[in-house]
Amino acid sequence: ETGVTQTPRHLVMGMTNKKSLKCEQHLGHNAMYWYKQSAKKPLELMFVYSLEERVENNSVPSRFSPECPNSSHLFLHLHTLQPEDSALYLCASSQVSGSRYEQYFGPGTRLTVT
Amino acid sequence: GESVGLHLPTLSVQEGDNSIINCAYSNSASDYFIWYKQESGKGPQFIIDIRSNMDKRQGQRVTVLLNKTVKHLSLQIAATQPGDSAVYFCAENRGRYGQNFVFGPGTRLSVLP
Repeated sequence: ETGVTQTPRHLVMGMTNKKSLKCEQHLGHNAMYWYKQSAKKPLELMFVYSLEERVENNSVPSRFSPECPNSSHLFLHLHTLQPEDSALYLCASSQVSGSRYEQYFGPGTRLTVT
Repeated sequence: GESVGLHLPTLSVQEGDNSIINCAYSNSASDYFIWYKQESGKGPQFIIDIRSNMDKRQGQRVTVLLNKTVKHLSLQIAATQPGDSAVYFCAENRGRYGQNFVFGPGTRLSVLP
């Protein structure tokens, strides 16, 4: 479980705040992901960075802004969020070479928007 | 109004019995599948994977079966233990190099003493 770490573990923010979620992977992987897990929907892929370049952006609202400064670090910048954005935000990493695509997940950040 | 949560199917099994968790996937072109386990307060944890050119794969106490004809995946857990209590997700890969996994809604497994 220490392969992928996320901070903070819990975050409460108002709709006018700006905050950032941080993810770090210690596995030497070359791809990182942000997922949203809410009570209403299955786990949803938000962003993919492979070799530090954004590969997928599944029409996520612009109030979520990812940043991947290097292969080990991933950020999710949050601004002007809505109450429906309250969810567990999970970071994952994987190695995109080879034949196995196993993703390793962090413990998540529980976000509450008030 | 009150929000409605995702209704998770629940499977309750006696300790020591075998468990079978099912999953239907939607894309016939999906070439790779993973089963994940998520315990309370933790992120999903890899259990076992299978490629579309296989119909069965075994791990330690777990077996995954793939039926491409009906787009169905199952996870079998032998001799279920209390530590197996968790939510189990299947995920199908729709992108290159595993960069676009679509997850199922999950099944909650409860192991009864």
